[in-house]
Amino acid sequence: EAGVVQSPRYKIIEKKQPVAFWCNPISGHNTLYWYRQNLGQGPELLIRYENEEAVDDSQLPKDRFSAERLKGVDSTLKIQPAELGDSAVYLCASSLEMGGILETQYFGPGTRLLVL
Amino acid sequence: GDSVTQMEGPVTLSEEAFLTINCTYTATGYPSLFWYVQYPGEGLQLLLKATKADDKGSNKGFEATYRKETTSFHLEKGSVQVSDSAVYFCALSERETSGSRLTFGEGTQLTVNP
Repeated sequence: EAGVVQSPRYKIIEKKQPVAFWCNPISGHNTLYWYRQNLGQGPELLIRYENEEAVDDSQLPKDRFSAERLKGVDSTLKIQPAELGDSAVYLCASSLEMGGILETQYFGPGTRLLVL
Repeated sequence: GDSVTQMEGPVTLSEEAFLTINCTYTATGYPSLFWYVQYPGEGLQLLLKATKADDKGSNKGFEATYRKETTSFHLEKGSVQVSDSAVYFCALSERETSGSRLTFGEGTQLTVNP
């Protein structure tokens, strides 16, 4: 079974440029997460989707970050414009949530972003 | 809000040594607790979990017991191997207050030397 796929794996951009990350979750998983992991820290949730609906985006910096999950499968996270402080690893995870049971989140390898 | 505190790292051990990585948490309700591992160049993988007090999670020789009285979930392994070298993250999820969001600790880098 294929895991969570993310692309690109690495991205280097200059500040004020836009950037986008793509995530393909595990087939059949209805819940998708975007986390940001700063150097030397644990991941922090940016946004959580249940199918197409963003149900938890309280920690997404909405002035420059946006996300979408069309058709409830793939998802794209965008930053426009990027700032130096956005340099981090962006992780995508997915899970199959059913009936309130807490299910395991499966993580992709991440996209490492460097803003110069 | 919820938070997770891990022991400061990095940790360096010789092969076959005993491992303990401390983890304590703060939560308003009754969270589920997790240990994730991140091998070099790979994504986070679930190592073990416990969903209620006194539960013991175990996998690949690693164990952790959910201690509500001390709000702890320390990770232990009796005999580490070089292949256990990785970053270990303690995490919690409190469904009632934050859905399935995971709150992570800062991670502990483990290096096992032959």
